[in-house]
Amino acid sequence: AQSVSQHNHHVILSEAASLELGCNYSYGGTVNLFWYVQYPGQHLQLLLKYFSGDPLVKGIKGFEAEFIKSKFSFNLRKPSVQWSDTAEYFCAVRGGTGANNLFFGTGTRLTVIP
Amino acid sequence: EPEVTQTPSHQVTQMGQEVILRCVPISNHLYFYWYRQILGQKVEFLVSFYNNEISEKSEIFDDQFSVERPDGSNFTLKIRSTKLEDSAMYFCASRTELAGLNEQFFGPGTRLTVL
Repeated sequence: AQSVSQHNHHVILSEAASLELGCNYSYGGTVNLFWYVQYPGQHLQLLLKYFSGDPLVKGIKGFEAEFIKSKFSFNLRKPSVQWSDTAEYFCAVRGGTGANNLFFGTGTRLTVIP
Repeated sequence: EPEVTQTPSHQVTQMGQEVILRCVPISNHLYFYWYRQILGQKVEFLVSFYNNEISEKSEIFDDQFSVERPDGSNFTLKIRSTKLEDSAMYFCASRTELAGLNEQFFGPGTRLTVL
């Protein structure tokens, strides 16, 4: 079965700092990978997704993620964070055998200090 | 922009009581999901629903849970006899097609508190 690991539980950064949130998954077949964001009091929103093609995907609000198949990783990056990026970030995977549900990581809370 | 909506936003119930959580998926979507997130834990898949039947369910989705699409617009999750450990945030999601590059759109969630 698929599983997703997010090793950073809480990240605290100052504005303008660079961000990288780790995500590793375990599944040997073809996977679709997602990053969702949950702003305080709001619902999960899709930041970006990878299905195939260019392993470097760009999402909304300046976020990007790189799929590295050999490392089973899909890390999220942003070169310069803003206070408004304070949120919970979830990596998710959907894969194989006709499954269409998502497996989520435990999430990483990002706090950006002005 | 169309959104998935959920009601109520917060439900408080006594242990052993039945609760029904309601969701209105985006109107042209065909696949519907329930997930839950216990406080401090990951978002977990419960069930997916397509063509008026369950297509997949997790181990969490036992006989106490059921889903229904009673009127072509609402998608409900029923918990027959709530337990303390059912306290969680419940998210509904929907998407357009099984195949293809379609994301799941999530609702804002219903916080269920079982006392």
